[in-house]
Amino acid sequence: EPEVTQTPSHQVTQMGQEVILRCVPISNHLYFYWYRQILGQKVEFLVSFYNNEISEKSEIFDDQFSVERPDGSNFTLKIRSTKLEDSAMYFCASSVNRGLDEQYFGPGTRLTVT
Amino acid sequence: AQTVTQSQPEMSVQEAETVTLSCTYDTSESDYYLFWYKQPPSRQMILVIRQEAYKQQNATENRFSVNFQKAAKSFSLKISDSQLGDAAMYFCAAGEAGGTSYGKLTFGQGTILTVHP
Repeated sequence: EPEVTQTPSHQVTQMGQEVILRCVPISNHLYFYWYRQILGQKVEFLVSFYNNEISEKSEIFDDQFSVERPDGSNFTLKIRSTKLEDSAMYFCASSVNRGLDEQYFGPGTRLTVT
Repeated sequence: AQTVTQSQPEMSVQEAETVTLSCTYDTSESDYYLFWYKQPPSRQMILVIRQEAYKQQNATENRFSVNFQKAAKSFSLKISDSQLGDAAMYFCAAGEAGGTSYGKLTFGQGTILTVHP
C-alpha cells in the first residue's frame, strides 16, 4: 500500500539554525500539507500546497517557514532561524483531491530545538 | 473559520464493550467534511471514518460508526466491541469542502482512549 514517508524521523538542532524537513507524498496525489503538533497539544495546520504554489497557510506559517517541491517527488518544509517553540512533531500529508478525500499522513518528524 | 472541540481528555473502556467519543464543531461553511483520526503511540495519524455534512446517513466502518447531528453540530464516534488495538489518541477534525480552502483540516484537542483487558 502506498504511503507518505518523512525524513528524518528525529532532528535535533540548535536555536537559530535552519532545518529542512523532507516528505515524499504518494505519487498520484496532487495536494500536499504540513501540520504541526506540539507535545500534548492538538494538531495544527501550517500550509497547503497545490500546483506548485501555496494555496493556503495559517498564522503560524510566517516568513520563518517556506515550502518547496524541488522535484517530482519531494515536498520540503524549511524552518529558518529555529526557536525553542518550534520544537514539535511535524506531519506531512497528501491527498488526491481536497475536501472529502482522505489525507494520508506521514509518520512525522520530531524536531527538537535546543 | 472552523473550530473543533473534544470535551473528553480521556476515556476508558473494557475490551469487547462499546465506547462513545464526543466532538462538537462550529463552522460558517455550508459544505464541509468531518473526520475521526486515530493516533497510536507511534504518532502516525490514521483515518478512522469520514462524514460528508450534506449526507444525513451516519457513516459506518466495521466496528466504528458516527452519530452526526448537524443541527447540534455534534459528531460523536462510537467504537463497538472494543479491542486492545483501539487504544490510542483520537482526533476529531473538520475540513471545508471548497471556497477558499484547499483541504485544511482543523483538529480537536484529542481524546486518549484506554482499553482494559
